[in-house]
Amino acid sequence: DSGVTQTPKHLITATGQRVTLRCSPRSGDLSVYWYQQSLDQGLQFLIQYYNGEERAKGNILERFSAQQFPDLHSELNLSSLELGDSALYFCASSVGDRGLETQYFGPGTRLLVL
Amino acid sequence: AQKVTQAQTEISVVEKEDVTLDCVYETRDTTYYLFWYKQPPSGELVFLIRRNSFDEQNEISGRYSWNFQKSTSSFNFTITASQVVDSAVYFCALSEASGANSKLTFGKGITLSVRP
Repeated sequence: DSGVTQTPKHLITATGQRVTLRCSPRSGDLSVYWYQQSLDQGLQFLIQYYNGEERAKGNILERFSAQQFPDLHSELNLSSLELGDSALYFCASSVGDRGLETQYFGPGTRLLVL
Repeated sequence: AQKVTQAQTEISVVEKEDVTLDCVYETRDTTYYLFWYKQPPSGELVFLIRRNSFDEQNEISGRYSWNFQKSTSSFNFTITASQVVDSAVYFCALSEASGANSKLTFGKGITLSVRP
């Protein structure tokens, strides 16, 4: 158990809908990262937050947004969902915001868009 | 731009065989960090090891060992006396020390199947 929690574990929804994925980092970690794992793209970095502020963006679609709250939990919002958004979404956390930090991953949320 | 290549896609071995998983990376940074993660069939990503670019000493942890060679930009992972529980997808990843973020760049992963 990494100490990172993600809810829900599974999500099934329809095209055009909007969903929210939630992540709680390990105790003491200030950075939260979101990654998407799909069969064709592999594991891709989406976005990073550090202590409530957006720190970096990767291959995140405009239909996707995220935020980190004062209690450090984070939410990833996916809207106008398409079939291709079906994937495993991981949250990871680390103590700081630098490359030397080990990122610990949550169990993931498996999203299926029908 | 940083890149991680795991040329092997699937490896199948019989229990107790040794197996080496290859990882080659590209980066322009002189300071960087390399990682291995394991993804068992249950789906979670489990951290195995972190290595910084200044430490080329090999590391051994039980049946696992890692060989880091800057000269060939490789960070290979060997499992000795493999077991069925080692069956998983293994990812090599890279992060750079410079720049505004600490994102991980992952390879495509290697699916290891250990048969009894």
